[in-house]
Amino acid sequence: QLQLQESGPGLVKPSETLSLTCTVSGGSVSSTTYYWGWIRQPPGKGLEWIGSIYYSGTTYYNPSLKSRVTISVDTSKNQFSLKLRSVTAADAAVYFCVRELTTILTKSFDIWGQGTTVTVSS
Amino acid sequence: QSALTQPASVSGSRGQSITISCTGTSSDVGGYDYVSWYQHHPGKAPKLIICDVSNRPSGVSNRFSGSKSGNTASLTISGLQAEDEADYYCSSYTSIATRVFGGGTRLTVL
Repeated sequence: QLQLQESGPGLVKPSETLSLTCTVSGGSVSSTTYYWGWIRQPPGKGLEWIGSIYYSGTTYYNPSLKSRVTISVDTSKNQFSLKLRSVTAADAAVYFCVRELTTILTKSFDIWGQGTTVTVSS
Repeated sequence: QSALTQPASVSGSRGQSITISCTGTSSDVGGYDYVSWYQHHPGKAPKLIICDVSNRPSGVSNRFSGSKSGNTASLTISGLQAEDEADYYCSSYTSIATRVFGGGTRLTVL
């Protein structure tokens, strides 16, 4: 059974870069059927899609975050990562890494990590 | 891109049925059959319960069903049970290859 585990600092200072990594176990990030992505949930708010990446490196980003976000994949480590630059208090959230099943017939986030809480504070 | 529109809350009694709507545009919900629904118990990972408008992943109760008409998708939960009390989110693929979520609906089981 494939599992996803987020890791990274739980506290980031304003204006700095938030960096998170998702480790994939029980499966491969190199699978051609899946994208790998990040979704966040600010306190008291709903889910927000941040972006997704294919094993080849093709990325898609939320237009509202695109200027500050980079998602990358490391097939040798079976991991993918999120970098969000110039963070503010509005970026405080629970960050989930997800697997997105993507074919011509289907698109959905079928497996989720447990989530990691990121606080933005000096 | 704008978030899809969901009611903030719905409620129903045990055993009853409820429907949650998810309204978008022709550039997302109305343009593609890639609407999915997620159940989220706070503090846990969200769970996929409906994909591609109306398909149930393996292991998901047949009390959950989905449909779509025009720019509005719907999730119906029949035979409400206490454990159905959770937040529900819709999501759609968009014309610019992004994904967008609804604002979420809090379901209360009375």
